[in-house]
Amino acid sequence: NAGVTQTPKFQVLKTGQSMTLQCAQDMNHEYMSWYRQDPGMGLRLIHYSVGAGITDQGEVPNGYNVSRSTTEDFPLRLLSAAPSQTSVYFCASSKGTGGSLGNQPQHFGDGTRLSIL
Amino acid sequence: AQSVAQPEDQVNVAEGNPLTVKCTYSVSGNPYLFWYVQYPNRGLQFLLKYITGDNLVKGSYGFEAEFNKSQTSFHLKKPSALVSDSALYFCAVRERNTNAGKSTFGDGTTLTVKP
Repeated sequence: NAGVTQTPKFQVLKTGQSMTLQCAQDMNHEYMSWYRQDPGMGLRLIHYSVGAGITDQGEVPNGYNVSRSTTEDFPLRLLSAAPSQTSVYFCASSKGTGGSLGNQPQHFGDGTRLSIL
Repeated sequence: AQSVAQPEDQVNVAEGNPLTVKCTYSVSGNPYLFWYVQYPNRGLQFLLKYITGDNLVKGSYGFEAEFNKSQTSFHLKKPSALVSDSALYFCAVRERNTNAGKSTFGDGTTLTVKP
């Protein structure tokens, strides 16, 4: 199994450009999420999805959009890149969140390192 | 609301010595608790979790964690540290019986094991 795959691994953008970070999982997981990791700040939740067609905002959603048209894919879109969005972005998935699935751990991709000049 | 605190940014131990990485949490109801490890340029990897029952949980690579409800703590331990244990460790909490099932992560603790 490939698990959670993120592309690209590295990206440099100019301020104002837009781009999409791709995330795909092959484990048939219902729950998917996007985090950003900044030094000394741990992981902060950007957006999440509990299933295809359902998305919701996390802790730091401004400047980002998501969609979930299939169970497998959960792309993250930067609408107009700003230097404050320079970060490492992680996508994660888990089997689910309700009932007994709530104790399932998340599986993480290896991240996208994004620099905005 | 739920939160996690990892009070130590850095923990240094000598190889062969026991290690402890501390975590305290706050949650409205009963928690699920997790530990993850992150190696350089990689995503987080699951180590262990607390669901219910025995307060001492055993996980991957010889790690274990002790759940203490009265102190709202979930400290990560290992009896004998290895140089290869050097990494960034994250504690996470998820409140039970919530539809969204969002996890909250601590800020991470860098563990350095010296030969």
